[in-house]
Amino acid sequence: AQTVTQSQPEMSVQEAETVTLSCTYDTSESNYYLFWYKQPPSRQMILVIRQEAYKQQNATENRFSVNFQKAAKSFSLKISDSQLGDTAMYFCAFMKLRDDKIIFGKGTRLHILP
Amino acid sequence: DAGVIQSPRHEVTEMGQEVTLRCKPISGHNSLFWYRQTMMRGLELLIYFNNNVPIDDSGMPEDRFSAKMPNASFSTLKIQPSEPRDSAVYFCASSLVTGAPRTNEKLFFGSGTQLSVL
Repeated sequence: AQTVTQSQPEMSVQEAETVTLSCTYDTSESNYYLFWYKQPPSRQMILVIRQEAYKQQNATENRFSVNFQKAAKSFSLKISDSQLGDTAMYFCAFMKLRDDKIIFGKGTRLHILP
Repeated sequence: DAGVIQSPRHEVTEMGQEVTLRCKPISGHNSLFWYRQTMMRGLELLIYFNNNVPIDDSGMPEDRFSAKMPNASFSTLKIQPSEPRDSAVYFCASSLVTGAPRTNEKLFFGSGTQLSVL
């Protein structure tokens, strides 16, 4: 079975700083997808970024980028120039190719301090 | 599109009572998922449907939990009888799974139901 581990339950950084959230996963699959979802206090779940395992290039979306290390089974999220609106719970998630279900980690609660 | 609609947004009930959570997926989506979120366990997948058929219910914690999808536009998650440890936020999500190989490119989540069992 696939597992997703987020080792940082909670983090705090100052506004405008760069922060990296860690995620590791365990799978025997060679093709899969990885995701980062953001959950602000409103409880809404927002897809931040998506990475296909067969693509070596790290995905980026504006201030959000990932460091995907396939051999190490690591998928960290970097937030540059952090903003107060980035305060949220962040979930790392995994999906096998040819599968429908997405498995989530326990989340990292991120606080951006003014 | 109105997105995935869940009701109620909040539910407070007493131990032993039956609880029914409702979900309307996005029109045209063919897969529907029920997740439970707690501080201790994060987001757990309870069950998912494809074309209204339950595909994987291995995450359903006990026989007290049941889920149905009578048609493509409606699903329910029922807890009977409810217990205090069932208190959590329950999310419904839908997606369009297409292609060969099948690809679930993006989950669309509802706003969740906050369940409190006293």
